[in-house]
Amino acid sequence: EAGVTQFPSHSVIEKGQTVTLRCDPISGHDNLYWYRRVMGKEIKFLLHFVKESKQDESGMPNNRFLAERTGGTYSTLKVQPAELEDSGVYFCASSQVGLEAFFGQGTRLTVV
Amino acid sequence: GQNIDQPTEMTATEGAIVQINCTYQTSGFNGLFWYQQHAGEAPTFLSYNVLDGLEEKGRFSSFLSRSKGYSYLLLKELQMKDSASYLCALLDSNYQLIWGAGTKLIIKP
Repeated sequence: EAGVTQFPSHSVIEKGQTVTLRCDPISGHDNLYWYRRVMGKEIKFLLHFVKESKQDESGMPNNRFLAERTGGTYSTLKVQPAELEDSGVYFCASSQVGLEAFFGQGTRLTVV
Repeated sequence: GQNIDQPTEMTATEGAIVQINCTYQTSGFNGLFWYQQHAGEAPTFLSYNVLDGLEEKGRFSSFLSRSKGYSYLLLKELQMKDSASYLCALLDSNYQLIWGAGTKLIIKP
């Protein structure tokens, strides 16, 4: 069975540009989470989808970040416009209710 | 509120045993996870405890005491490849994962 996949694995963009990250969860997992780890700091929760609905988006840093999960399958996280402090590794995870979350390999975003 | 504490860094010797502690405060609890993360990679699942007691999986064991808000990860027969960060994470009442800052484990020959 395929695990959680994320695309792209790496992205280097200039400040002010737009980047869209994609996450394909494990099939059948209703829960989808986005996390971010900025270098030298702990993983921070961004938001949680249950199917296509945003259950909790309290971790989204500001309105430059937009997450969607159309049809309750894959999810996208768009950063527009990107700032230098957005650099980090963005992780996606999926789970069935109450069970462990499986993580993707992450997208390393570098804003220059 | 919620809070998770674990040591920032630990050092151990190859072949030895190390225990990484995690203490937490939370109003809602649906389990506690331990993840291993090598530099630049995604965290990988190690264990999940929701009931008190010890869960053993090969060289790794995890313990939970809900009344004390305490968990530990025990690593036996340490290998060099065990050098990584070990993350304690709490699943709260909304099924949101709350992460500790991680413990960097350094294994020396």
